[in-house]
Amino acid sequence: AQKVTQAQTEISVVEKEDVTLDCVYETRDTTYYLFWYKQPPSGELVFLIRRNSFDEQNEISGRYSWNFQKSTSSFNFTITASQVVDSAVYFCALSPLGNEKLTFGTGTRLTIIP
Amino acid sequence: DTAVSQTPKYLVTQMGNDKSIKCEQNLGHDTMYWYKQDSKKFLKIMFSYNNKELIINETVPNRFSPKSPDKAHLNLHINSLELGDSAVYFCASSQGLAAADEQFFGPGTRLTVL
Repeated sequence: AQKVTQAQTEISVVEKEDVTLDCVYETRDTTYYLFWYKQPPSGELVFLIRRNSFDEQNEISGRYSWNFQKSTSSFNFTITASQVVDSAVYFCALSPLGNEKLTFGTGTRLTIIP
Repeated sequence: DTAVSQTPKYLVTQMGNDKSIKCEQNLGHDTMYWYKQDSKKFLKIMFSYNNKELIINETVPNRFSPKSPDKAHLNLHINSLELGDSAVYFCASSQGLAAADEQFFGPGTRLTVL
């Protein structure tokens, strides 16, 4: 069975601060995919990134960066120089190869204070 | 231009009623899903269909019945609605059944059972 843990239920930071959202996963599969989705106050779910288990390179996209560490089963997400528009609930998710079922974490509500 | 659309966006109904939520995708995807997001924002898959064939059926009460008339549509019918069915229901689609396939989500349908 798969499990995704996002231990931080809520985080608040002041605008322009950096913030890291933690994600820890459990799976017995050797090949799997990890995802991050953003759910802004408007409610829709927006895809941010996909990472496969064989690619441990960190990824940067603008102010967003992701740190994948297989040794600790973590896939953390950092927002640099946060902005009010980053306020949202962020979900980490896992999908093992051969199983299209996406298992979500419980989400982290991020509030950026102006 | 909406990729995945759902109707209605809001649904308020009395306990015991039967209701349907419709979902359509214009991405040419083969796989469609229904997710339920409860009041604590927890997202859980309910069903998935691939080329109109049921693939995933999580432990969902029999009162919930998905119907896929064609690849582009996956409707959700709910019989004898209960208070606990109140949630936001998301439809999603992906290219295929691969774990790597990004899922595109609809805007969600907020169901309130009184």
